[in-house]
Amino acid sequence: DAKTTQPPSMDCAEGRAANLPCNHSTISGNEYVYWYRQIHSQGPQYIIHGLKNNETNEMASLIITEDRKSSTLILPHATLRDTAVYYCIVLNSGGSNYKLTFGKGTLLTVNP
Amino acid sequence: DTGVSQDPRHKITKRGQNVTFRCDPISEHNRLYWYRQTLGQGPEFLTYFQNEAQLEKSRLLSDRFSAERPKGSFSTLEIQRTEQGDSAMYLCASSGSGRTDTQYFGPGTRLTVL
Repeated sequence: DAKTTQPPSMDCAEGRAANLPCNHSTISGNEYVYWYRQIHSQGPQYIIHGLKNNETNEMASLIITEDRKSSTLILPHATLRDTAVYYCIVLNSGGSNYKLTFGKGTLLTVNP
Repeated sequence: DTGVSQDPRHKITKRGQNVTFRCDPISEHNRLYWYRQTLGQGPEFLTYFQNEAQLEKSRLLSDRFSAERPKGSFSTLEIQRTEQGDSAMYLCASSGSGRTDTQYFGPGTRLTVL
């Protein structure tokens, strides 16, 4: 699986959009970009995933660049409960490749 | 609640004791995964089941670790002769078997070995 690079920490004001970047310059054509988050002492929570097109769900939006070498997770109106570690993961969903490889993620702190 | 459940949520044991954790996946999911997370790190893959078959084990899973999923439903992870280095959060996840089926995680079991 392609390696991802994320900033170790970011701050965001409550009510503002949080934009979390991820670089995955070695991603290959059949690899998906997944985002999970982990609130302190809880299990990781799935947020969103995509292949090529931008995706949106009730939690967030995922913007993937045209060359697929980077992506941005957008939380449109961050709340204090969005404070968590956010993990960007690239996963080859073809064949039997199923292991999620987590890095250290980005600690997002939402401030009042 | 129809999510992944794990039991116990916390376990404190003395070095050398055996411990067993249980994971109940989402009912229609036939894939089940175990991960381990130490302080300050992201989760690391340990092992994976497709129904009752254990299809892969990480090098992290030493001989003291054994996982089972006897009827393709719940799974257990046993650690024998625990060591202080086994202290970690043990996470279970489940998914369907489609190519893009998402893994959903349980709350984890936090193990402390004294």
